[in-house]
Amino acid sequence: EAQVTQNPRYLITVTGKKLTVTCSQNMNHEYMSWYRQDPGLGLRQIYYSMNVEVTDKGDVPEGYKVSRKEKRNFPLILESPSPNQTSLYFCASSLVPGGSQPQHFGDGTRLSIL
Amino acid sequence: QKEVEQNSGPLSVPEGAIASLNCTYSDRVSQSFFWYRQYSGKSPELIMSIYSNGDKEDGRFTAQLNKASQYVSLLIRDSQPSDSATYLCAVPEGGGYNKLIFGAGTRLAVHP
Repeated sequence: EAQVTQNPRYLITVTGKKLTVTCSQNMNHEYMSWYRQDPGLGLRQIYYSMNVEVTDKGDVPEGYKVSRKEKRNFPLILESPSPNQTSLYFCASSLVPGGSQPQHFGDGTRLSIL
Repeated sequence: QKEVEQNSGPLSVPEGAIASLNCTYSDRVSQSFFWYRQYSGKSPELIMSIYSNGDKEDGRFTAQLNKASQYVSLLIRDSQPSDSATYLCAVPEGGGYNKLIFGAGTRLAVHP
C-alpha cells in the first residue's frame, strides 16, 4: 500500500529535550516536505526536499532541522523544543515538486511541548 | 509572502444543497490551483486540481477558476453529511512548484 508513515503519532515532552519525528514514504517520490498546522493559520511549510541531500527552508524553518540521506526518509528534528512548537505536524511527498502532482500526506504527529 | 485567503466558516448547508467555497490568492503568476479536503483529526487529501480558466467538473465537485480576478471556488452539489470537513485551497508559490501555499481552510457543515 502506498503510504507516508510518520512516527510518533502523539508526543508530549518538555522544553529543551531534543526530539525527532520520522517520516518515510514507499512511493519512490523525490519531493518531500514538512508542514505544521495551527488553528486559524492553516498549513505552513517548514522545510522541503527536492531530492536526496537537497533541502531548503519553507516559511517557518526556525527551530527545526531536517536531513535527506535516503530518498524514502525525511526526519524532522527539534534540537531544543519550545512551547511555541506545540502543533500538528504533517509530512508529505509527491512524485514531482510542489503542487503539480498530488501531495500524499502522512497521518500527522501531534506534538505538545510543556 | 504570497497569500491565499479563505473564509474560515463554518459554512452550514442543508443536505442536498449546493455548497460554495471560495478562495482568493495574491500571486498573479500562479498557474495551478488545488482543493484539499481534511476531515477532523485526519490528513489532507487532494480532491480537485484546476489549471485553466473556467470550470472543471468531477462527480459532485466543480472547481471554478478566474485568473483575472485571482479567484478559485469549489462547488459541491447534492451536499451530503459526509462532505462535512475543512476544505483547503492551495496554490504553488510564484507559479513554480517548490512550495505550496495553503489557505487556512473553510469548515463546511452539512446538516440532515
